[in-house]
Amino acid sequence: GAGVSQTPSNKVTEKGKYVELRCDPISGHTALYWYRQSLGQGPEFLIYFQGTGAADDSGLPNDRFFAVRPEGSVSTLKIQRTERGDSAVYLCASSLAGKETQYFGPGTRLLVL
Amino acid sequence: AQSVTQLDSQVPVFEEAPVELRCNYSSSVSVYLFWYVQYPNQGLQLLLKYLSGSTLVKGINGFEAEFNKSQTSFHLRKPSVHISDTAEYFCAVSGSSFQKLVFGTGTRLLVSP
Repeated sequence: GAGVSQTPSNKVTEKGKYVELRCDPISGHTALYWYRQSLGQGPEFLIYFQGTGAADDSGLPNDRFFAVRPEGSVSTLKIQRTERGDSAVYLCASSLAGKETQYFGPGTRLLVL
Repeated sequence: AQSVTQLDSQVPVFEEAPVELRCNYSSSVSVYLFWYVQYPNQGLQLLLKYLSGSTLVKGINGFEAEFNKSQTSFHLRKPSVHISDTAEYFCAVSGSSFQKLVFGTGTRLLVSP
């Protein structure tokens, strides 16, 4: 079946602009996660959804970052007033509720000029 | 808080040689341990996981890992590597709630002929 998909695959924007990154989880997966992977680093947790609600947003770096999942499926990560330090690969993962295995998408590579 | 240390940023090895990628973790509670592989321009793929039971776990592509609670380690091994094993390998830990994963910084395995 289809895996986790993320769009766009690449996004180039200018400092100060607003961006939206989209994640389509595996059908039936109620848990959805966002991670950020900077160059040479492992993925860092940003936020976790169980259904429509954010169960843990402790990894969001500041209030410029926000994520939604209004219907419990697709999720959008929103970044306001982008900064050069936001440049990274943003990864999305999904899993069945209460299950340990997270399935990752290919990521969105964000470059802020 | 949980953390993961991958001691080697890069491991060069010749084809058909054995390899061990090291991972140490820190946690005050029960942990679940994972190894993910990331091929160039691809998403993270689960290699294997330890949840409970036998401390020796076998994964895909001939990889295995051993959970050692006294040494807080979860090293990944393969008896004979192939060129196609060239990739970035990440060790990760989660708590009993299977929510966020905490990743190490990764080890780049470079297999040469």
